[in-house]
Amino acid sequence: GAVVSQHPSRVICKSGTSVKIECRSLDFQATTMFWYRQFPKQSLMLMATSNEGSKATYEQGVEKDKFLINHASLTLSTLTVTSAHPEDSSFYICSALSTSGVDNEQFFGPGTRLTVL
Amino acid sequence: AQSVTQLGSHVSVSEGALVLLRCNYSSSVPPYLFWYVQYPNQGLQLLLKYTSAATLVKGINGFEAEFKKSETSFHLTKPSAHMSDAAEYFCAVIMDSNYQLIWGAGTKLIIKP
Repeated sequence: GAVVSQHPSRVICKSGTSVKIECRSLDFQATTMFWYRQFPKQSLMLMATSNEGSKATYEQGVEKDKFLINHASLTLSTLTVTSAHPEDSSFYICSALSTSGVDNEQFFGPGTRLTVL
Repeated sequence: AQSVTQLGSHVSVSEGALVLLRCNYSSSVPPYLFWYVQYPNQGLQLLLKYTSAATLVKGINGFEAEFKKSETSFHLTKPSAHMSDAAEYFCAVIMDSNYQLIWGAGTKLIIKP
């Protein structure tokens, strides 16, 4: 149980295009999902907290107009990188907190490797 | 500010030797504590978690960690390292009700043959 999927696992796009990354909780409902960014050889950086049915809460320094987050259902959150540039290339990881909030554990997706040419 | 410190960005041990990865946190309230492992180009896998039950927590792959409140530590250990343990290990803490994880910088575990 408690499986989180991400799609796509890898994406390569041209500079200026937009990319959508999906995060799904497959066997549980998640009122809260988190989006992280990880640079090579570094820890995870929280970008935003996504709550179902409401606006995402962005961390300081994260551009909300560039990283659009939608949490339309209890099993799906999407991150859209708009007008992507090479500096947006990174490993993006989502996590989901179950509605039961068991032990406050977040369940992580496998990550999406974004490369912007 | 709340923080998590992992001592040593790289730890190298011989196969079969004891593994000790250190984690200290700053908090005045009892936290939820987690250890995650990340293999190259993969997501994170939960090794174990402390949630105010037993202070010695056993996880997967033979790992365990002990919560020591007086030392604000949650060090990860494994009696005998295996080559497959080579990975990046992250300590993380939830300290308040917003469920946000505060991450350590990570420790890369290197296993020598």
